[in-house]
Amino acid sequence: GAGVSQSPRYKVTKRGQDVALRCDPISGHVSLYWYRQALGQGPEFLTYFNYEAQQDKSGLPNDRFSAERPEGSISTLTIQRTEQRDSAMYRCASSPLDSIGSMNTEAFFGQGTRLTVV
Amino acid sequence: TQLLEQSPQFLSIQEGENLTVYCNSSSVFSSLQWYRQEPGEGPVLLVTVVTGGEVKKLKRLTFQFGDARKDSSLHITAAQPGDTGLYLCAGAQGSSNTGKLIFGQGTTLQVKP
Repeated sequence: GAGVSQSPRYKVTKRGQDVALRCDPISGHVSLYWYRQALGQGPEFLTYFNYEAQQDKSGLPNDRFSAERPEGSISTLTIQRTEQRDSAMYRCASSPLDSIGSMNTEAFFGQGTRLTVV
Repeated sequence: TQLLEQSPQFLSIQEGENLTVYCNSSSVFSSLQWYRQEPGEGPVLLVTVVTGGEVKKLKRLTFQFGDARKDSSLHITAAQPGDTGLYLCAGAQGSSNTGKLIFGQGTTLQVKP
């Protein structure tokens, strides 16, 4: 596709259930990022991958959160035993290079998955 | 601990006024980016600054990267209602090979006609 695609766009789940959020990055993009964003706030870093390798997962809140990108393309963020405090917008972004600090390297964001835990 | 502090968090001004948004940190960044986000959408890149002291202009927007690469500013001249949105600074940590992008908490700008 032309842009970063996230699915589902909206997810309502009951407390205690597991959820899997999917991100399909722009074809050929090396880096993939997961963020969580509260309304009116900046994205909070969760984790990121270069190709299939998870480079940094220091932002994952606890061990109920995990992410994978097994073939270096599509990524899944999984939240086990969801809690109400997990409710948020989860955003995925991809970048064409493995160095976001390089000139002209930008992160392209998807429209996000709005997760609501009831 | 917020690595990137943005100020102000909220700004409501009249059309035609000038404004400056600041992004400060105690950490050094290999580069710093500014994004703009509209409601219901993801952030979209405005500019990347890489060199300490660098100034970039994008129409009515002027971006500056501090000499020590720890801070940045965004200045908008003669703001228009179309400038309304959430402005985010984002820094790439450590060396250019780390790839980790950290965002500030954002500045919500409202420009009234």
